[in-house]
Amino acid sequence: AQSVTQPDIHITVSEGASLELRCNYSYGATPYLFWYVQSPGQGLQLLLKYFSGDTLVQGIKGFEAEFKRSQSSFNLRKPSVHWSDAAEYFCAVGADNDMRFGAGTRLTVKP
Amino acid sequence: EAQVTQNPRYLITVTGKKLTVTCSQNMNHEYMSWYRQDPGLGLRQIYYSMNVEVTDKGDVPEGYKVSRKEKRNFPLILESPSPNQTSLYFCASSLYRGGAEAFFGQGTRLTVV
Repeated sequence: AQSVTQPDIHITVSEGASLELRCNYSYGATPYLFWYVQSPGQGLQLLLKYFSGDTLVQGIKGFEAEFKRSQSSFNLRKPSVHWSDAAEYFCAVGADNDMRFGAGTRLTVKP
Repeated sequence: EAQVTQNPRYLITVTGKKLTVTCSQNMNHEYMSWYRQDPGLGLRQIYYSMNVEVTDKGDVPEGYKVSRKEKRNFPLILESPSPNQTSLYFCASSLYRGGAEAFFGQGTRLTVV
């Protein structure tokens, strides 16, 4: 079965700085890849997804992610973070009729 | 508007008192699931349902029951809650399992004392 690792439990960045959240997966082929965001007191919302094709995927709220097959990674990026981006971010991997979520990365944004 | 609705949002109960958390979706999705979220553990799947009357265990099913009598509803039942079931619970639905976007409810924060 596939698995997903988010190495960073908590990241703090200053408002306006760039952001990269890491996600690594384990699976024999190319799975479906997702990033979700959970704002405080809310459910998870899809930011972006990768199924095939262009390895750089654009999502909502100015986020993008790049699929790198050689590194089994799907890192999430944003060029300039806003205070409203403070949330928890989950990477998810879908394959073999199953979906697995990472443990999440909590993002704190400093003014 | 496409949505997954969970109720209640917050619940405090005592050990052993049966409770049900309801979940309803309006997208005609076949696949629905329940997760619990605990600090440092991410989302762990409790039960899932591929369609009406078809349910199966996820990774952490002990102490929980589900039913799927109608396509839109997927209630989570705790027959005899215990303190280790104190958690944040999410219901989700999607077109199918594995490769489709999941839509999540807003969560139910359960405290068992």
